[in-house]
Amino acid sequence: DIVMTQTPLSLSVTPGQPASISCKSSQSLLHSDRKTYLYWYLQKAGQSPQLLIYEVSTRFSGVPNRFSGSGSGTDFTLKISRVEAEDIGVYYCMQSIQLPRTFGQGTRLDIK
Amino acid sequence: QVQLQQSGPGLVKPSQTLSLTCVISGDSVSSNRAAWNWIRQSPSRGLEWLGRTYYRSKWYNDYAVSVKSRITINPDTFKNQFSLQLNSVTPEDTAVYYCARDQLLFFGELLQFDNWGQGTLVIVSS
Repeated sequence: DIVMTQTPLSLSVTPGQPASISCKSSQSLLHSDRKTYLYWYLQKAGQSPQLLIYEVSTRFSGVPNRFSGSGSGTDFTLKISRVEAEDIGVYYCMQSIQLPRTFGQGTRLDIK
Repeated sequence: QVQLQQSGPGLVKPSQTLSLTCVISGDSVSSNRAAWNWIRQSPSRGLEWLGRTYYRSKWYNDYAVSVKSRITINPDTFKNQFSLQLNSVTPEDTAVYYCARDQLLFFGELLQFDNWGQGTLVIVSS
């Protein structure tokens, strides 16, 4: 199985400041179709996870443009340009290049 | 707008079968551009994908190796829903269980788990 490793595991950010989460995979997520199957989710307290970013860098419908994804191969980053109070929760990366789908351990973001 | 509504018991005895259902509205379980997944979440295991069912001229299933001998995911085209059965449960199967959709867009983009059910806490205990 592909192991997804996130850092840091927790993050405390002042509103209006940027935040960055790293995700590394144990194998390349670049498929022979030239797409890279790396996804980001946010799980707010008491809710189901929600899709933020798909295929490394495309924001899902309704996701604010302060969220951006980047990376290639095995190294990926989720950035929030200016953190807002509504961004608190746990962020997960996930790979879907192969089965089983596997998730990172999660990064908890809170507000200072 | 797609909605997934989960139902099923929140308490299951050890060695018995866990059964959950996910009713789909706004899409079809038979869509050839979707796949229907079960995922669980526990403090010890985090988010764990369990398996999926999907239709591409015929029905297919994929299961995680960790539960492959105990799991069945079945579509129900008449009720537009899909179900999870997990046999011979132990306390280690205690988790919040989610159903979720994959969607393949017309330009080939894959939206993995773009819609989720509300989650069902299942406790395995006598």
